[in-house]
Amino acid sequence: EAGVTQFPSHSVIEKGQTVTLRCDPISGHDNLYWYRRVMGKEIKFLLHFVKESKQDESGMPNNRFLAERTGGTYSTLKVQPAELEDSGVYFCASSLGTSQTDTQYFGPGTRLTVL
Amino acid sequence: GESVGLHLPTLSVQEGDNSIINCAYSNSASDYFIWYKQESGKGPQFIIDIRSNMDKRQGQRVTVLLNKTVKHLSLQIAATQPGDSAVYFCAENLNQGAQKLVFGQGTRLTINP
Repeated sequence: EAGVTQFPSHSVIEKGQTVTLRCDPISGHDNLYWYRRVMGKEIKFLLHFVKESKQDESGMPNNRFLAERTGGTYSTLKVQPAELEDSGVYFCASSLGTSQTDTQYFGPGTRLTVL
Repeated sequence: GESVGLHLPTLSVQEGDNSIINCAYSNSASDYFIWYKQESGKGPQFIIDIRSNMDKRQGQRVTVLLNKTVKHLSLQIAATQPGDSAVYFCAENLNQGAQKLVFGQGTRLTINP
């Protein structure tokens, strides 16, 4: 069974440009999460989808970030316009259920560098 | 506020020795904790979890200990191997109607041959 996949693995853009990150969860997982780790800091939660609905978006830093999950399958995270402080590694995770003990399986991450 | 932190950012041990990675948390209402391992170029990988109604849980070569009195969590790895070299994160699931994980900063474990 394929794990969580993310595309691209790396992205280098200039300040002010737009970038779209994609996440494909494990097949059958209704729950999809976005996290990010900025330089030198801990991994922080961004948001949580249940199917196509946003369950919790309390971690989204500002309105330059837009996450979508049309159709409840893959998800995209768009940053527009990108700022220097957006640089970091963006992780996606998925889980089968929403109980506390449902394991979140992480993808390899997308490393975003904003110049 | 909520926070999960680690005492040491780096740890080096000799191959075959046991290692202990520590984690402190501040939310006394937290009731579920997870340890993740992240190898270079990969995402965090689930290792072991523990609920607050337990104080110890064992897996294969790994043991997690929970001390709720001092809000402390530790991961013990027995007979370390080169493949154990990675960054280890503790995480807390607050289960406040949502499933977000709160991560600590991470400890880099290096296994010396």
